[in-house]
Amino acid sequence: QKEVEQNSGPLSVPEGAIASLNCTYSDRVSQSFFWYRQYSGKSPELIMSIYSNGDKEDGRFTAQLNKASQYVSLLIRDSQPSDSATYLCAAFAGAGKSTFGDGTTLTVKP
Amino acid sequence: DTGVSQDPRHKITKRGQNVTFRCDPISEHNRLYWYRQTLGQGPEFLTYFQNEAQLEKSRLLSDRFSAERPKGSFSTLEIQRTEQGDSAMYLCASSPGTEAFFGQGTRLTVV
Repeated sequence: QKEVEQNSGPLSVPEGAIASLNCTYSDRVSQSFFWYRQYSGKSPELIMSIYSNGDKEDGRFTAQLNKASQYVSLLIRDSQPSDSATYLCAAFAGAGKSTFGDGTTLTVKP
Repeated sequence: DTGVSQDPRHKITKRGQNVTFRCDPISEHNRLYWYRQTLGQGPEFLTYFQNEAQLEKSRLLSDRFSAERPKGSFSTLEIQRTEQGDSAMYLCASSPGTEAFFGQGTRLTVV
């Protein structure tokens, strides 16, 4: 079992809709979580970090963390075609190591 | 540009050859990571430096892999006697704490 699990998708939403990306983690990993966006052929780009229970908003992005359920999510409001990418969930696992899920591919259709 | 820089961007090598990649982190970041990523997978942790000390190394990393970070500045990743299974994107990231910022990556193709 991977320490960080994501729905592989693909996830397809129409332009302007809300995209919801989900991630679960095992209790072996730490409590700091990150969302990265990765365009095809490019490297991951950090878009959100969250450290405590609840919601964290940054523009069109909202990260949600529920430690009791070992669940972290990313909501993208007013989705744009430029949001089409693979979204990686990562957890800080101690000893300086981040563990990544395998990503969810999002397609936003115009 | 003061981001993480990796060199080369692409490397094609014959099986059995040695290759070395370089990473220049963001200057004020004391933490440096190497990851490997294959198609359809998330980045896989290889090793971690805090300043010049290599503090963590993945058990997945065979003896053919070695990494250094002399003087806590740039880092190199060397792969000896490359195999076709080494073909992947090699990613370097640096961090001032927990958030990690990636370089553009080095795509290695072993033929």
